Order: sequence, then C-alpha cells, then structure tokens
Amino acid sequence: GAGVSQSPRYKVAKRGQDVALRCDPISGHVSLFWYQQALGQGPEFLTYFQNEAQLDKSGLPSDRFFAERPEGSVSTLKIQRTQQEDSAVYLCASSLTGRVNNEQFFGPGTRLTVL
Amino acid sequence: GQQLNQSPQSMFIQEGEDVSMNCTSSSIFNTWLWYKQDPGEGPVLLIALYKAGELTSNGRLTAQFGITRKDSFLNISASIPSDVGIYFCAGQAGSARQLTFGSGTQLTVLP
Repeated sequence: GAGVSQSPRYKVAKRGQDVALRCDPISGHVSLFWYQQALGQGPEFLTYFQNEAQLDKSGLPSDRFFAERPEGSVSTLKIQRTQQEDSAVYLCASSLTGRVNNEQFFGPGTRLTVL
Repeated sequence: GQQLNQSPQSMFIQEGEDVSMNCTSSSIFNTWLWYKQDPGEGPVLLIALYKAGELTSNGRLTAQFGITRKDSFLNISASIPSDVGIYFCAGQAGSARQLTFGSGTQLTVLP
C-alpha cells in the first residue's frame, strides 16, 4: 500500500500566523511520531501517539505546538503564532505496533518557512 | 535537544572507494539504526542493530553495534553514484519509542 503521506509539502507563513500540518500514516499503523528537522541537522523528536492517545509530548518546544490524532489514524500538528525559529522540515513517521524496536517509516515531510 | 555525535560531517570520495562513518554517544542505547535521506524525502532505514557487538550487512553496507552500547559505525564498500545522500545514525534508549538522531554525514561520490 501507500507509504506515509504529508500535506502540504511546502508552507510559507508570515510570523504570527497559525499553521496546520497533516500526516496520513500507513493504514493500520498503531504508532505515529512527529519530528522537527532544522536545516543541516538530524530530526528531533516532538511527540508520539499510540492510536489516539498522545503518550509522549516531551519534545514539543513550546505551548504554541499542539498535535492531535482524534481517530487514531490521521494526525495534525498545529503551530500557533509562528516564529522564525519554527522554520524547519516537519517529518511524520508511523510504525505497525507500539513495540520498542518496531521500524518507523517516514513521510517526505512538510517544509515550513516563516517569514 | 540531545543528539548523537556523528562524524565526519561530509565526505567526498571517488566512485568505487569504500567509506566509513561513525556515531558516538555519552549514554547507552539499546538499538542503533542507520538511515539515508535523499533531498526532499524522509529518512529511509538501511540497517537496524539490536545487540551489543552485533555486525550486520545489507548488500554493500555493513554496520556494527559497539560493545559499550555507546557507538556504532557504518561502512559502505565500492561506492556508486546513487550512494550520494545524507546518512544518519539513530538510537533508541531504554523503553523509549522515539529515535535520537545524529547530525548526519553528507556523502558525495565523484565519478
């Protein structure tokens, strides 16, 4: 089947605007992760869902960042009052189960540019 | 946030040469992973290592999980043009589901 998809692929926002980034995981995958990848760096963990439950949000950099997965499939990462330091690629990954060593499959990412 | 120390940052090699890159950490990881990321794409898993001392191959790629659980290396033999990209190490610590990534090695293969 299809891999992880993300939309939009590119987003330009003016500072102070709110944005919403969507992730469609692989069908049937239990776990969903969001990562933030700054230019020239490796991805950094933001938050983790198992089904609809957000089990770990320790990586969210501020209370302007909010993620949800209400029906245990599609997830949305929302950033309120965007700042220039929020500019990055936001990657979504899913894995089949909630087990520790389960392979994570990554989407292509959404590149967010805040002007 | 916490990241693994990955080196080198970039490499320029001739086609056909072997290449080696490594990752170190100040803390123990239970799983080491190596990913490749092409421009505009997400990382793709190359090799996964689950036991200290484990040596695993995937075609021309070979990776090892360090015996101290604090390091790993990736070797690519007989490089070809399609090996160009950014290689990331990643680890999982304890019972964490999330991955901690290195800062990447940019590989360029010259014809």
